[in-house]
Parts: sequence; C-alpha cells; structure tokens
Amino acid sequence: QVQLVESGGGVVQPGGSLRLSCAASGFAFGYYAMHWVRQPPGKGLEWVAFMRFDGSEKFYADSVKGRFTISRDNSKNTLYLQMNSLKTEDTAVYYCAKDHHWYFDLWGRGTLVTVSS
Amino acid sequence: AIQLTQSPSSLSASIGDRVNITCRASQDIRTDLAWFHQKAGMAPKLLISDASTLQSGVPSRFTGSGSGTDFTLTISSLQPEDFATYYCQQFDNFPLTFGAGTKVEIK
Repeated sequence: QVQLVESGGGVVQPGGSLRLSCAASGFAFGYYAMHWVRQPPGKGLEWVAFMRFDGSEKFYADSVKGRFTISRDNSKNTLYLQMNSLKTEDTAVYYCAKDHHWYFDLWGRGTLVTVSS
Repeated sequence: AIQLTQSPSSLSASIGDRVNITCRASQDIRTDLAWFHQKAGMAPKLLISDASTLQSGVPSRFTGSGSGTDFTLTISSLQPEDFATYYCQQFDNFPLTFGAGTKVEIK
C-alpha cells in the first residue's frame, strides 16, 4: 500500500525542539524528492521544506530557515524534520508529501505540533 | 515569493451546480500550477497538475484551465463529496506557495 505516515508530534514549550518522522511504504522512496508542508489550526497550507532524493539539494521557507532541518535515511525509507527554537506560530499539523516535479502527489495524514507554555 | 490570490474565499452551492474557482499569480508561472482539495480533518488530495492535467482517478467533472497568471478550476456538476476546501499551488519556483483556499459549502 502506497502511504506516508508521520509521527513525533506533540506539545512543546517555546524555544524547545522536536523531531518529526515520516515513514514511507509502497513506493521506491529513495528515488523521490520529499517535502514537509504545514497547516496551522483552521488556516491554509504552507510549504516548509524540500529535499532531493539523494539529499544533494535542500530548500526551506524563510519562516523556518535556520531553525528547521530536513533530512532522510533512504535505507529506512524515512524522512525527518528537526525543529529547533520553536515558536508559538509553528503550531500546526505537519504533513510530509511526496514530490512530483515540485508539486505534491501523495500526502500523509499529518502529525500535530503544539508550541505552548 | 510568488503570491497566489484565490477567489472567492468561500461559496455556497447546490448539488448539480457549476462552480468556478479562480487563482491569480503575482507573476507569470506558465502552467506550473496544481489544484488540491481538502476535506475536514483529512490530508489534501491532488486533483490537477500542470494547470489542466487531471490526475488518475479524479472525476472528469473537474477541469483546470489557464496559463501565465490566471487560472480556473471548474466543477461542472457539484456532487456531495465535492464539499471541501480547494487550494491552488504554484511550482514554478521556490518558495512553493499556496493560495489561501476556497471553501465550498452546501447551500
């Protein structure tokens, strides 16, 4: 079954850190670029980060640059998002998404990150 | 960053109605536009890529058109399962950006 399953969300205080994971199955993960996209509660979608299939290229939204790091382990079919120096405005459902020429053709169900004191 | 302006932000329609949603880009993005819909509590789903290419399994009542800066998503005959929020997304360059969404509700 082709799917993406995110995990690692939770409640964290401002300034804290969290690491999200995205487990891929049913397709050749190591051949595809991947993204993280987030959605604050009741709001629209915001692209967060991109990584090429081999890790050779990464891009970030300005809102997270310098605080978030995207990475992957192709041997484990897993994508990661390390989030540091978290702010209340980072509160959102975080989705991982499979890339198809820079749009998203497969999405996970998301994991909720709440940044609150 | 390329800004995408969707209109309307919401609309009410009846089953069988024809619905048009527009997406305007702040600069020329050729046909580098995708459309998604999202039902409450669920992940977005890709409907159309490259402005007009219907994805496999998506009903033919969905049509995408446009190029350059002006794009339209048309639902020819609204069905109960189409009540959702619709987003456009440009993939012409980074940062990738989305429109603010159009919520389609039942009249």
